[in-house]
Amino acid sequence: ELKVEQNPLFLSMQEGKNYTIYCNYSTTSDRLYWYRQDPGKSLESLFVLLSNGAVKQEGRLMASLDTKARLSTLHITAAVHDLSATYFCAVPMRFGAGTRLTVKP
Amino acid sequence: DAMVIQNPRYQVTQFGKPVTLSCSQTLNHNVMYWYQQKSSQAPKLLFHYYDKDFNNEADTPDNFQSRRPNTSFCFLDIRSPGLGDAAMYLCATSSRGASNQPQHFGDGTRLSIL
Repeated sequence: ELKVEQNPLFLSMQEGKNYTIYCNYSTTSDRLYWYRQDPGKSLESLFVLLSNGAVKQEGRLMASLDTKARLSTLHITAAVHDLSATYFCAVPMRFGAGTRLTVKP
Repeated sequence: DAMVIQNPRYQVTQFGKPVTLSCSQTLNHNVMYWYQQKSSQAPKLLFHYYDKDFNNEADTPDNFQSRRPNTSFCFLDIRSPGLGDAAMYLCATSSRGASNQPQHFGDGTRLSIL
């Protein structure tokens, strides 16, 4: 059974700090997604990663993919309060449990 | 703008009373999905259609049914809702030939059971 595991599940950060969220998946996948979800809202696509070594950046977020290790990371640089949300990684049709990020002043 | 539209946004139904949620899309995507998301949990795939081919997840209860009468519309029918079915239901679409694109999600329908 395909499993997608994220850690940490909860993350409290100070503004201005850096941190990384990790996503492991159990079987081969040709793509990996990162989504953001605000409370009570739907999912917003952040990144689509297609190949080994892929790196994508948008603002303070950078995602990478290592298909050999079946690992993706979402790195947060100099966090700001607006980044507070739940972040999900997913392979097609399977989501990780989500990381609930809170950025404190 | 092309988009995925779910109706209604909020639905309240009584225990055991059938309910139908709808999803429409203007993206002309050939794949449509229904997810169930309970509070503080990840979205869980119920089923998906590739064109008219229906694919049910093995652990989706029989109480949940779906219809896709055409490319643009997809419906989720809950035949006898129980208290455990209260959740956000998310419809999503994708194009099977476009691996570089994510799933596009609607705003969801929040279902409450009385």
